[in-house]
Amino acid sequence: AQTVTQSQPEMSVQEAETVTLSCTYDTSESDYYLFWYKQPPSRQMILVIRQEAYKQQNATENRFSVNFQKAAKSFSLKISDSQLGDAAMYFCAYRSEVLGFGNEKLTFGTGTRLTIIP
Amino acid sequence: NAGVTQTPKFQVLKTGQSMTLQCAQDMNHEYMSWYRQDPGMGLRLIHYSVGAGITDQGEVPNGYNVSRSTTEDFPLRLLSAAPSQTSVYFCASSWRQGGNQPQHFGDGTRLSIL
Repeated sequence: AQTVTQSQPEMSVQEAETVTLSCTYDTSESDYYLFWYKQPPSRQMILVIRQEAYKQQNATENRFSVNFQKAAKSFSLKISDSQLGDAAMYFCAYRSEVLGFGNEKLTFGTGTRLTIIP
Repeated sequence: NAGVTQTPKFQVLKTGQSMTLQCAQDMNHEYMSWYRQDPGMGLRLIHYSVGAGITDQGEVPNGYNVSRSTTEDFPLRLLSAAPSQTSVYFCASSWRQGGNQPQHFGDGTRLSIL
């Protein structure tokens, strides 16, 4: 079974600065997908960025980018130019590539609460 | 677009009561699932379905029941509510094919069991 670990329960960053959230995972599969979800106080689960394991290039979405290290099983999220609206809980999640009964599920880490300091 | 609709948004129950959390999606997704979110534990899978008439257990299924009679709807039933089931519940849906396609989440139901 896959596991996802987020070792930073809380992080804080000054507005306009850069912050990196850590995520490691454990799997025996070679093909899979990784996601970062944002959960603001409104409770919605919002997809921030996704990465396919077969792609060497790190995904980027505007101010959000990842550092994907497949061999190290690491998937960190970098937020540049932090804004007050980035304050939220951030979850790292894993999804298998192999189709099969139940493999479509997301396995989540325990989350990192990000605070933005004005 | 409605996406994934969950009702109710909040609910308070007494121990031993039963209730159904509703989930509906209008994207024709095959895969639907229920998660519960507890502090410090992330989201954990309760039950899931890969199509109408097909359901299976996830990581924490005890005390919950599901059925999938249509593609659109996937209700979660609490048979006899217990304080340990106090949590925030999320319904999600996605395509089965294409693992990089994101799961779409409902807005959640905050459930308190007294």
